[in-house]
Amino acid sequence: AQSVTQLGSHVSVSEGALVLLRCNYSSSVPPYLFWYVQYPNQGLQLLLKYTSAATLVKGINGFEAEFKKSETSFHLTKPSAHMSDAAEYFCAVSDPMQGKLVFGAGTILRVKS
Amino acid sequence: EAQVTQNPRYLITVTGKKLTVTCSQNMNHEYMSWYRQDPGLGLRQIYYSMNVEVTDKGDVPEGYKVSRKEKRNFPLILESPSPNQTSLYFCASSLEIRTEAFFGQGTRLTVV
Repeated sequence: AQSVTQLGSHVSVSEGALVLLRCNYSSSVPPYLFWYVQYPNQGLQLLLKYTSAATLVKGINGFEAEFKKSETSFHLTKPSAHMSDAAEYFCAVSDPMQGKLVFGAGTILRVKS
Repeated sequence: EAQVTQNPRYLITVTGKKLTVTCSQNMNHEYMSWYRQDPGLGLRQIYYSMNVEVTDKGDVPEGYKVSRKEKRNFPLILESPSPNQTSLYFCASSLEIRTEAFFGQGTRLTVV
């Protein structure tokens, strides 16, 4: 079965600093990987997804993620944090065999002014 | 506008009183699912449906029921709610499991 591990339940960065949110997955088949963001009192929305077309995936709001098969990782980055990036971020992997979308525990990003 | 609509957004109920949380999508998606979100645990899948009349258990199905009589609707039923079902619930839909999931705004349920 697929699983997702997000390292760090809370990450704090200064405005303008690099954002790095870590995600490692386990999968016995080529994975479909996603990053979702949840702003307070809202549902989740898609930031970006990996579907094997390219290892570096660009998403909305300046975020990108790199798929590294050898490390089973899909870390999310943004060169310069904005205050509006403060939210909870979830990494997810789809398991087509079992019909599931499996989420990590989430990382809360705090941006300091 | 493409959306997933859940109702109600907030609900406080008493132990044992049956309730239904509705979910409707207007994107003609095949796949729908329910999740519960608890602090430190992320989102855990309760039930999912790959098409009309096809439903299956997720990771935490105990105490919940679902039905998929028509493509757009996927209600979540709690026959006898208990306090451990106090949580934030999300409905989601997608074309299929490998594509982007669209989420509802969530239903915050409190069972006392």
